[in-house]
Amino acid sequence: EDQVTQSPEALRLQEGESSSLNCSYTVSGLRGLFWYRQDPGKGPEFLFTLYSAGEEKEKERLKATLTKKESFLHITAPKPEDSATYLCAVQDTGTASKLTFGTGTRLQVTL
Amino acid sequence: KAGVTQTPRYLIKTRGQQVTLSCSPISGHRSVSWYQQTPGQGLQFLFEYFSETQRNKGNFPGRFSGRQFSNSRSEMNVSTLELGDSALYLCASRQGGESLEAFFGQGTRLTVV
Repeated sequence: EDQVTQSPEALRLQEGESSSLNCSYTVSGLRGLFWYRQDPGKGPEFLFTLYSAGEEKEKERLKATLTKKESFLHITAPKPEDSATYLCAVQDTGTASKLTFGTGTRLQVTL
Repeated sequence: KAGVTQTPRYLIKTRGQQVTLSCSPISGHRSVSWYQQTPGQGLQFLFEYFSETQRNKGNFPGRFSGRQFSNSRSEMNVSTLELGDSALYLCASRQGGESLEAFFGQGTRLTVV
């Protein structure tokens, strides 16, 4: 069974203080790994898809990387508006389009 | 380009009733998936429809069902509601084929009392 574990559960950063969020996964075959951002009371907002180990993608202050067992979401010089829950999900080659999600990392960025 | 639209945004139902939620995917997208999100379990996959056919199903009881229409719009039905069905129900839209990215709607917040 596919499993996704995210750490830490919660993270508090000061504005400008860079850090990384971790997503460890277990799948029989990885079709894709996804990062989403979710604000309270809203649906997840798509950020990145990673397909194979060694791949990296960037968007503004966010950079996602992928190895064979885990993915990292690096946040460089975060701003208060980056505060949200960041979700990681995987899609297995054997389960069509089903996404298996981790429980997320709640990020709070303060001034 | 319009995003994924879910209606209604909020619902309050009584235990034992049934409920129908609606999802309109992004124009041109043929795949619709449904997820249940609760504080304790996180996001859990309910089922996926592609071209009006259920293609995949999660581990939920038969009280949870869905369908997809020829215009790709989808509905999800929950019968004999239980208190534990209170959750945010999310719909995700995919183009289909080789495209993997799923785009979520704002969700329907269902409260069962």
